[in-house]
Amino acid sequence: EPEVTQTPSHQVTQMGQEVILRCVPISNHLYFYWYRQILGQKVEFLVSFYNNEISEKSEIFDDQFSVERPDGSNFTLKIRSTKLEDSAMYFCASSEGTGEEKLFFGSGTQLSVL
Amino acid sequence: AQRVTQPEKLLSVFKGAPVELKCNYSYSGSPELFWYVQYSRQRLQLLLRHISRESIKGFTADLNKGETSFHLKKPFAQEEDSAMYYCALSNPGRRALTFGSGTRLQVQP
Repeated sequence: EPEVTQTPSHQVTQMGQEVILRCVPISNHLYFYWYRQILGQKVEFLVSFYNNEISEKSEIFDDQFSVERPDGSNFTLKIRSTKLEDSAMYFCASSEGTGEEKLFFGSGTQLSVL
Repeated sequence: AQRVTQPEKLLSVFKGAPVELKCNYSYSGSPELFWYVQYSRQRLQLLLRHISRESIKGFTADLNKGETSFHLKKPFAQEEDSAMYYCALSNPGRRALTFGSGTRLQVQP
């Protein structure tokens, strides 16, 4: 069964540094998402992406965050200047875009900001 | 603002016992409700959604608009049901999911 792939599985960075989290969505899917889960807290929606532009974003997704689909397969989340509170598990997901919201999640990238 | 509440962090039952994982929501319109599951060392995956009215792995969930609930039920729990279960909500026409905090189900032999 096709899967959403995320790299790296763990990322450690210093506060103030830029990080890029990478995802390869399922190939025929049209919608792409980023969610995050801070340790002990809920899974939170960050952003959805369709047709090469952001379709929805949450309050969390401020100017420090950006997403990009640089080529036909990758979908990236960039955090420009990381803060301690950005430490979390970041999940990429994709969906077919047929109307029913079945998300396929990646296994996540654990980001640790020191 | 919409909200999903799962009041139990942990639910422990014995194999063969009935299971009910509670989910309540607050939303003014007609939301779409989902249950996602995460088995140990696996990724988050969709278990079922209310619009399909389906039964997956013996689990069912009925949307009760009067009580704003979407409880997940299974008449006879199996050890392989042990996992983290998340209730989630989306607005019709939008794709962002609002998740509950999750309930860990432990099925003991």
